[in-house]
Amino acid sequence: KNQVEQSPQSLIILEGKNCTLQCNYTVSPFSNLRWYKQDTGRGPVSLTIMTFSENTKSNGRYTATLDADTKQSSLHITASQLSDSASYICVVTFYGGATNKLIFGTGTLLAVQP
Amino acid sequence: GAVVSQHPSRVICKSGTSVKIECRSLDFQATTMFWYRQFPKQSLMLMATSNEGSKATYEQGVEKDKFLINHASLTLSTLTVTSAHPEDSSFYICSADSPGQAGGGYTFGSGTRLTVV
Repeated sequence: KNQVEQSPQSLIILEGKNCTLQCNYTVSPFSNLRWYKQDTGRGPVSLTIMTFSENTKSNGRYTATLDADTKQSSLHITASQLSDSASYICVVTFYGGATNKLIFGTGTLLAVQP
Repeated sequence: GAVVSQHPSRVICKSGTSVKIECRSLDFQATTMFWYRQFPKQSLMLMATSNEGSKATYEQGVEKDKFLINHASLTLSTLTVTSAHPEDSSFYICSADSPGQAGGGYTFGSGTRLTVV
């Protein structure tokens, strides 16, 4: 069964600290993996996208890694800011026949406190 | 980069009435658009896939007669919730797919909070 699991479910950190969010998937055949940031009451915004051959991708203070062998990905946030408080969603795309299909993780809710 | 505009952002309607939500791709043509529903503290759940000029494909368990989808042009898809009931209250999000766009397609709209009273 195609699944995407994220951990932790929620996380509280102090402003300025770093954190790492995890994503494990059992999706096949794999196309790409995306990390999104979703603020409360808003649509998801893309942070990174990685294909099978990419191991790491950065977007400012966000760095995503991908290990296609172990089917794991992580999102590292450096020097967190209050505005980083949001839900972070891992999304894996696989070839679902005529079109690609997106499998969504349940997200990690991050709270950055002053 | 690719921008998807969703309107309205919030809507409150009376039970039994219909509500239309619009999803527009502002700077690219979207051959395929997706409609999602999201309950509090849950992930996005795909409702249907709409292709320009053809009928939408609905996910299992989604009532096509209740959630009408129209994708009449390459820049606009609409979702109409017909005869809305309180259990339809949710956060609805659209996304558009256009190969070659920055981010690999799948740009999301900002969502619509529907409250049925």
